[in-house]
Formats: sequence, structure tokens, C-alpha cells
Amino acid sequence: QVKLLQSGAALVKPGDSVKMSCKASGYPFTDFIIHWVKQSHGKSLEWIGYVNPHRGDTDYNEKFKGKATLSVDRSSSTAYMEFNRLTSEDSAIYYCTRGGFGTPFGFWGQGVMVTVSS
Amino acid sequence: EIVLTQSPTTISASPGEKVTITCRATSSVTYMYWYQQQSGASPKLWIYDTSKLASGVPNRFSGSGSGTSYSLTIDTMETEDAATYYCHQWHTPPTFGGGTKLELK
Repeated sequence: QVKLLQSGAALVKPGDSVKMSCKASGYPFTDFIIHWVKQSHGKSLEWIGYVNPHRGDTDYNEKFKGKATLSVDRSSSTAYMEFNRLTSEDSAIYYCTRGGFGTPFGFWGQGVMVTVSS
Repeated sequence: EIVLTQSPTTISASPGEKVTITCRATSSVTYMYWYQQQSGASPKLWIYDTSKLASGVPNRFSGSGSGTSYSLTIDTMETEDAATYYCHQWHTPPTFGGGTKLELK
């Protein structure tokens, strides 16, 4: 079955960067776009952007341009998101998702909790 | 960007009660999607293409609507239905509603 296994929680300092991973299994990795979603504590969900594992192209929510960088490693069926110049506003849970059932968010990873604190 | 407004933001329901959550969009959308998020877990696709139930979703749930107004209904509330529900549309950029927390009374 489709699985998206994300990397573990991260505690990072303000101004630093963090890179998280999302390992896909249970389907051909290059057949589906991977999206990333942010959920701030107790708040709703924001689409960050997507990466196409087949072509490598990306698209970003205007709000996250320059903040997030999405990439893939086809050899390991893994997608990555790097977040830079972190502030307390970036403390959140970040999910990778895969399309299905007509939506980009048919399947979800377990999420990565990122805490930005000095 | 299409903004989705859910109401109510919080609702309490007793077992057996009927529950309706609405989602209004600032522009017409083709389909609405709904997600259920249990505390501490990832969101799960619950309803897709406005009215189709995702795999494993009990048939006491239903979705309806068109244009700018959509709803999710639970015919008879069960304890396991207590969760937060989000609506979502995917006209670029994809957006989500603010969520409705459904509590057990």
C-alpha cells in the first residue's frame, strides 16, 4: 500500500536551515507529484508547494517562495524539503502528501514537527 | 486565492445526533474535499469529489454542495467521529478551510 515515511522531529535555532525527507513506497515514485503542507500549532493547513519526481519541476505557494526548496532523489524514492532562515513562525508540523482521488492530498505522511528555538 | 470559510468553528454533538458542517468559498469551485484529523494524527482524506466517501469512511457521512457552498453531514453522531474536519479546494493555489472541531457532548 502507499506509504510516505517522513524523517524525525527537528529542533533548530533561529536563522538556521532544516531539511526533511519523505520516503515513498508502495507505488512507482515517479508516477505521482509530491506536495508539502504546513500545519502551525492548533491551526489550519497551508500548501507549500510541489515537486514532480518524474521531471523534477517544482511550484511554490507565493508565501513560501525563497523559504522552501523542494527536491527528489529518484534512486531512493525520497522527496526532500529544505526550509531556510528559520524563525519562530516556522515552528509547525510539515506533511508530505501524494495525489489520489482527484486531490493532491490523497495520502499523507506522518508529519515532521519542527521547533525553532534558541 | 480562493478562501474557504467553515462554520461552525466548534460544535458539540451527542451520540445519535445529526451534524452538519458548512464550507463557503470566495469563488466557485468544481469540487470540494474534506479531511478528518484526529488529535495527534495526520489528516485523512474523508470525502472527495464533493460527495464520494473515501475508503473505510462510514456511510453515515455524506457530502454535498456546488458552486461556493458545500457541506459535510453526519446522519447519526458516533463517538469515533469526534475530530477536526477541514474542507479543501484545489484550484491553484490549493487552500483549506480553517477547520471545524467536532466534540462529543
